[in-house]
Amino acid sequence: DAGITQSPRHKVTETGTPVTLRCHQTENHRYMYWYRQDPGHGLRLIHYSYGVKDTDKGEVSDGYSVSRSKTEDFLLTLESATSSQTSVYFCAISEGQGHLLNQPQHFGDGTRLSIL
Amino acid sequence: AQKITQTQPGMFVQEKEAVTLDCTYDTSDPSYGLFWYKQPSSGEMIFLIYQGSYDQQNATEGRYSLNFQKARKSANLVISASQLGDSAMYFCAMREGPASITSGSRLTFGEGTQLTVNP
Repeated sequence: DAGITQSPRHKVTETGTPVTLRCHQTENHRYMYWYRQDPGHGLRLIHYSYGVKDTDKGEVSDGYSVSRSKTEDFLLTLESATSSQTSVYFCAISEGQGHLLNQPQHFGDGTRLSIL
Repeated sequence: AQKITQTQPGMFVQEKEAVTLDCTYDTSDPSYGLFWYKQPSSGEMIFLIYQGSYDQQNATEGRYSLNFQKARKSANLVISASQLGDSAMYFCAMREGPASITSGSRLTFGEGTQLTVNP
């Protein structure tokens, strides 16, 4: 199994509070991704990173920011959480040559976030 | 417009039988890749199989095979000899090219098909 750790695994917080989710990898992979999973939508890309300090937006980036200060860590921040951001969040990684079409992404176990 | 469509929200199959999970996709890019992932009730995402748009043969991985019909833009997953442990949500996903260093491996997912294997 790919060495990907997401923390926390579960979190309940209130609307308007800041929230940071962490993804830590031990594979030294170049590419890291944050997805959210909601019923009826599958997984949707929030942000991704193609290197240290190199990030870009995905399909549903509004309300989220990310940072990657070192290869192994990719942080997702909700500056002011809203109830619509209640979801399961997945981190994924792919190898150094992940820009090639055939490289699969490997996923962490997910973080269940509830915003009341 | 949906880029990945999985029209079967739920499927049922008897143990030891084969089952086909449908996936159609929409892209104008000649270079793309198609992936299938399995998500058991425990929640993790497990990569199953990959098919490239230029691959001449259908992909196979153990009991999993991909029925790739390029002209119809379909990439159906076939699971042979179903087992109880195959009960899970299955997602089809696509990566469009041409890929670049900065574009990485962004995937677009379908909504998934919940497969239940009955004993």
